[in-house]
Amino acid sequence: EAGVAQSPRYKIIEKRQSVAFWCNPISGHATLYWYQQILGQGPKLLIQFQNNGVVDDSQLPKDRFSAERLKGVDSTLKIQPAKLEDSAVYLCASSSHLAGGPPGELFFGEGSRLTVL
Amino acid sequence: QKEVEQNSGPLSVPEGAIASLNCTYSDRVSQSFFWYRQYSGKSPELIMSIYSNGDKEDGRFTAQLNKASQYVSLLIRDSQPSDSATYLCAVPSSNTGKLIFGQGTTLQVKP
Repeated sequence: EAGVAQSPRYKIIEKRQSVAFWCNPISGHATLYWYQQILGQGPKLLIQFQNNGVVDDSQLPKDRFSAERLKGVDSTLKIQPAKLEDSAVYLCASSSHLAGGPPGELFFGEGSRLTVL
Repeated sequence: QKEVEQNSGPLSVPEGAIASLNCTYSDRVSQSFFWYRQYSGKSPELIMSIYSNGDKEDGRFTAQLNKASQYVSLLIRDSQPSDSATYLCAVPSSNTGKLIFGQGTTLQVKP
């Protein structure tokens, strides 16, 4: 079974530039998550999708971050304009559970490491 | 108070010893608890889940839950150098269901 695919693995940009990350979840998984993990910290949820709807985006900085999952499968996370503090690993995860129940096991992709100079 | 708290470590143990990792959480209503392992430069992977008070054993790993004290721990018996990693405690929010991670404890097992 293919795992969660993410790209690019690494990205270096200058502040105020834009960047986009792509994620393809495990086939059949209804729920998709984007987490931000700053060095030395645990992952922080940015946005959770169930199929193509947003379940939780309370910690997404909406003035600069956006995410979509138009067809309920793959997803894109965009940052525009980037700030120095956005330097982090952006982890995509998927699970088969549905919102409202216990989260069960999250399967993570390898992550996209962003460096903002 | 953070929602999920862990000592960042590093926790250093000799090979063959028992490693004890601890986690406290603030949401008294939480019903499920998870331990993820994250090797350096890699993504987290689930190693244990526990839902009821007491102990749950899986091979060399034992999760312990005390809901009254809002405390969950992970014991690793016969620690191996390959266990060296960061261990993340995760608890779903009872309000939103989203999984909240602690900052992780870094474990170093020395040969």
